[in-house]
Amino acid sequence: KNEVEQSPQNLTAQEGEFITINCSYSVGISALHWLQQHPGGGIVSLFMLSSGKKKHGRLIATINIQEKHSSLHITASHPRDSAVYICAVKKVAGATNKLIFGTGTLLAVQP
Amino acid sequence: DVKVTQSSRYLVKRTGEKVFLECVQDMDHENMFWYRQDPGLGLRLIYFSYDVKMKEKGDIPEGYSVSREKKERFSLILESASTNQTSMYLCASSFAGPGTGYYNEQFFGPGTRLTVL
Repeated sequence: KNEVEQSPQNLTAQEGEFITINCSYSVGISALHWLQQHPGGGIVSLFMLSSGKKKHGRLIATINIQEKHSSLHITASHPRDSAVYICAVKKVAGATNKLIFGTGTLLAVQP
Repeated sequence: DVKVTQSSRYLVKRTGEKVFLECVQDMDHENMFWYRQDPGLGLRLIYFSYDVKMKEKGDIPEGYSVSREKKERFSLILESASTNQTSMYLCASSFAGPGTGYYNEQFFGPGTRLTVL
């Protein structure tokens, strides 16, 4: 079983919908990182979390350390949000700055 | 802005060739990483380096080697390319943390899509 699991693997939404992507992990972590990857493109950082909630524009990320779970929400989704969203965690006892990655959620937002 | 650049976006090589993938960062980061990304498997760490001339194996180092002669540059070498090394290769860099439990944000390059025929 992977130490980081994302759901769903694929998601299709209509423009304007509220979207939630989930990330569950089974190890103790010091930080969780949400990343975005557009088709054929590099990876950009969305959020780094160790507790609570962060918001940037239409994106909101939350983390519940006790439940070992994080969610990424997109409000008022738009076709330009279509991308792969990747959750990654830094284990507390892991090597310096080494991340463990989920397999990603492919989001398609249709106009 | 942090900039991580990779030498090629697309590369086509033949089986048995020696392949060099170059990564350069301009933020004086101590840590540099090489990943490969495959459908359904996500990103997997090949090697990372925490200082010049220092390297550590990641999860899938077989068939790869690395070189870090200067702080800003980290090279991934495929000694004898094989078809199962066809993949997207991503480089990343970050500052070092004060301890093993600490995390500094990793910044990623645009990726190199390597095809081995």
